[in-house]
Amino acid sequence: QVLLQESGPGLVTPSGTLSLTCTVSGGSISISNWWSWVRQSPGKGLEWIGQIYLGGSNDYNPSLKSRVTISVDKSKSQFSLNLNSVTAADTAIYYCAKHRGFGFDIWGQGTMVTVSS
Amino acid sequence: QSALTQPPSVSGSPGQSVTISCTGTSSDVGSYNSVSWYQQPPGTAPKLIIFDVSNRPSGVPDRFSGSKSGNTASLTISGLQAEDEADYYCSSYTSSNTYVFGTGTKVTVV
Repeated sequence: QVLLQESGPGLVTPSGTLSLTCTVSGGSISISNWWSWVRQSPGKGLEWIGQIYLGGSNDYNPSLKSRVTISVDKSKSQFSLNLNSVTAADTAIYYCAKHRGFGFDIWGQGTMVTVSS
Repeated sequence: QSALTQPPSVSGSPGQSVTISCTGTSSDVGSYNSVSWYQQPPGTAPKLIIFDVSNRPSGVPDRFSGSKSGNTASLTISGLQAEDEADYYCSSYTSSNTYVFGTGTKVTVV
């Protein structure tokens, strides 16, 4: 059974960079060609951040595109999220997710990231 | 890209059926058979219950069904149960190779 686990700092200072890693366990990262990051601000809805294709391409939410980079390390079965120039508006629970068809069938438990000085 | 539009809340009695709508545009919901639905009880990660408009992952009860007409997709929960109380979100792939989520709907079993 494939499991996803997000990891990274829970506190980021304003104007800094948020960096998270998603580790895939219980199976190969190649079980899916596509992997995504999704976030949820406190008490709010879900927001898709972006996706990575194991072949090397990316797509990002237009509202975040100038600040986001998603990369993959297949040897470690990990993919990562970098979001720069963060503000309080980036405070959220960040989830990584595996694609199935056009859906996201396996999610990590989520990690809370707070942007504050 | 704008979030897909869902009703803020729906409610029903145990055993009843409820339907949640998800309205988008010809650039997302109307373009592909790419709508998925998620169930999210408080404090938990979302769970996929429908993908590609009407497909259920294994383990999801057949009380949950999905459909689409034009730019609007729908999730129907038949035989509503207390355990179905949760927030529900739709999602769609878009013509820009991105994904967009719905605004979310709170389902209450009264």
